[in-house]
Amino acid sequence: EADIYQTPRYLVIGTGKKITLECSQTMGHDKMYWYQQDPGMELHLIHYSYGVNSTEKGDLSSESTVSRIRTEHFPLTLESARPSHTSQYLCASSVDRAYEQYFGPGTRLTVT
Amino acid sequence: AQTVTQSQPEMSVQEAETVTLSCTYDTSESDYYLFWYKQPPSRQMILVIRQEAYKQQNATENRFSVNFQKAAKSFSLKISDSQLGDAAMYFCAYRSPSGTYKYIFGTGTRLKVLA
Repeated sequence: EADIYQTPRYLVIGTGKKITLECSQTMGHDKMYWYQQDPGMELHLIHYSYGVNSTEKGDLSSESTVSRIRTEHFPLTLESARPSHTSQYLCASSVDRAYEQYFGPGTRLTVT
Repeated sequence: AQTVTQSQPEMSVQEAETVTLSCTYDTSESDYYLFWYKQPPSRQMILVIRQEAYKQQNATENRFSVNFQKAAKSFSLKISDSQLGDAAMYFCAYRSPSGTYKYIFGTGTRLKVLA
């Protein structure tokens, strides 16, 4: 299995709270990604990063923000959670020579 | 822009039988990479198989093989001797070898394996 980790795995939180979803990988991959996925549905890219201090918004508009201060760490932050943010968030990484993405186990977020 | 289409939202197969999942894509590039990913229920997404567009030979990984038709822009996945553990969502994905490093995913096919 790939060494990519996400915490927490499950989170239930009230509306208006600030949350940070953690993603770390130990493979030295320069590319990292965040996807939003409703259960059993397609993946939507919300953020990606080419490397340290490089982040871009994905195809799906999201109220979340990301940072990439270290190669191995790519956290996603929601300043004020809303019920519409309820979903699963998948983190992934890749490196050019391998080309495929490696996925973390996901964080299932519920905003009440 | 590239697109990936999986036209079968759900498929069923009897245990030990063979099933084929379809995927078509649209691109103007001549060199690219195609993938099939498996996402079991409540478990991590993993790579099943990868195909480089410049290779004419179809990729094979044990019971999994692809039928890559470059001219038709088709990339189907064949699962032989289906097992209960094959039950999952399967996603087809496309990646350009350069540029934005983004992956384009299809909408997925849910595979049920019947005992």
